[in-house]
Amino acid sequence: DSGVTQTPKHLITATGQRVTLRCSPRSGDLSVYWYQQSLDQGLQFLIQYYNGEERAKGNILERFSAQQFPDLHSELNLSSLELGDSALYFCASSPRPARDTQYFGPGTRLTVL
Amino acid sequence: AQTVTQSQPEMSVQEAETVTLSCTYDTSENNYYLFWYKQPPSRQMILVIRQEAYKQQNATENRFSVNFQKAAKSFSLKISDSQLGDTAMYFCAFPGPGGGADGLTFGKGTHLIIQP
Repeated sequence: DSGVTQTPKHLITATGQRVTLRCSPRSGDLSVYWYQQSLDQGLQFLIQYYNGEERAKGNILERFSAQQFPDLHSELNLSSLELGDSALYFCASSPRPARDTQYFGPGTRLTVL
Repeated sequence: AQTVTQSQPEMSVQEAETVTLSCTYDTSENNYYLFWYKQPPSRQMILVIRQEAYKQQNATENRFSVNFQKAAKSFSLKISDSQLGDTAMYFCAFPGPGGGADGLTFGKGTHLIIQP
């Protein structure tokens, strides 16, 4: 157990819908990262937050957004869902925003029908 | 751009054998970390081992060790006395520019199968 929690474990929804994925980092970690793992794209970095502020953006679509709250938990919002958004979404956390080991949560499997 | 290459899509060995998974990377940075993560059928991403580029000594964690060749930009993972529970996808990962602030760049993975 990495200490990073993610909810829900599974999510099934329809095209065009909006969903929210939640992540709680390890105790003491200020950085949260979001990744997408799909069969065709592999593991891709989406976005990082550090102590409530957006720190870096990767291959995140404009339909996707995230935020980190004062209690340091983070939410990833996915809207106008398409079939191709079906993937495993991971959250990871680390103490600092760089040069630190990232510990991953168990992931949320999103299925868009 | 940072790249990470794992040239072995799949490997299969007998239980108790030693296996080496290869990884090469490209970077212009001098101070960085490298990681191996394991993803078993449960799909959880589990840290296996970490290597700091400034350290000449190769990292070791129980049955897992690395062969880090900085000049060659090579970072292989050796698993000794392999066990059935080692069956998993193994990913080599490398922080993007800024030491990981831009997230980790992952290789495509090696599917390791340990046969009884």
